[in-house]
Amino acid sequence: QKEVEQDPGPLSVPEGAIVSLNCTYSNSAFQYFMWYRQYSRKGPELLMYTYSSGNKEDGRFTAQVDKSSKYISLFIRDSQPSDSATYLCAMSEDNFNKFYFGSGTKLNVKP
Amino acid sequence: DAGVIQSPRHEVTEMGQEVTLRCKPISGHDYLFWYRQTMMRGLELLIYFNNNVPIDDSGMPEDRFSAKMPNASFSTLKIQPSEPRDSAVYFCASTHGPVVTGLRQPQHFGDGTRLSIL
Repeated sequence: QKEVEQDPGPLSVPEGAIVSLNCTYSNSAFQYFMWYRQYSRKGPELLMYTYSSGNKEDGRFTAQVDKSSKYISLFIRDSQPSDSATYLCAMSEDNFNKFYFGSGTKLNVKP
Repeated sequence: DAGVIQSPRHEVTEMGQEVTLRCKPISGHDYLFWYRQTMMRGLELLIYFNNNVPIDDSGMPEDRFSAKMPNASFSTLKIQPSEPRDSAVYFCASTHGPVVTGLRQPQHFGDGTRLSIL
């Protein structure tokens, strides 16, 4: 079983829709949770970064962490065609520098 | 601020040749990571350095792969001899250790080297 599981998609939505992206994990020691966005032929860029449980909001993006269920989510409100990319979740333990990545979900927002 | 810089952006070479990928981390970052990304396996950590010292190379697939970090601003990943199954996008990322808050910092990625071994 992989440390981090993520549905590869693709996920196709109309412009303006609310998008929900999710990851599940098996390691209860994970404390740091990140979402990266990767455009085609580019490196992953950090979108959201949270420590431990709870919600974090940044503009149209909201990250949620539910440690009891070992489940994290990224919500995108009012999705735009420019949001079309692959979204990767990543996580890490408190005292460990390895970051474990999901395989990524490909999102397509149609105009 | 300059991000993580990788070179070359693309490399096409024949099986058996030596391949060297280069990375310049963000200034001030003391951790450097090498990843490989493929459709089948996603993003895999190969090796990471702290203060130029290799800390964990358990992800390096074979002895054909080697990585060095001679100073804080430069690292190389070498494949010798290369094989077609090494074809992938190789990313370098950097970060700095926990700062005043003690919280671990996220990684910043370069745009990768797209490697094709014929």
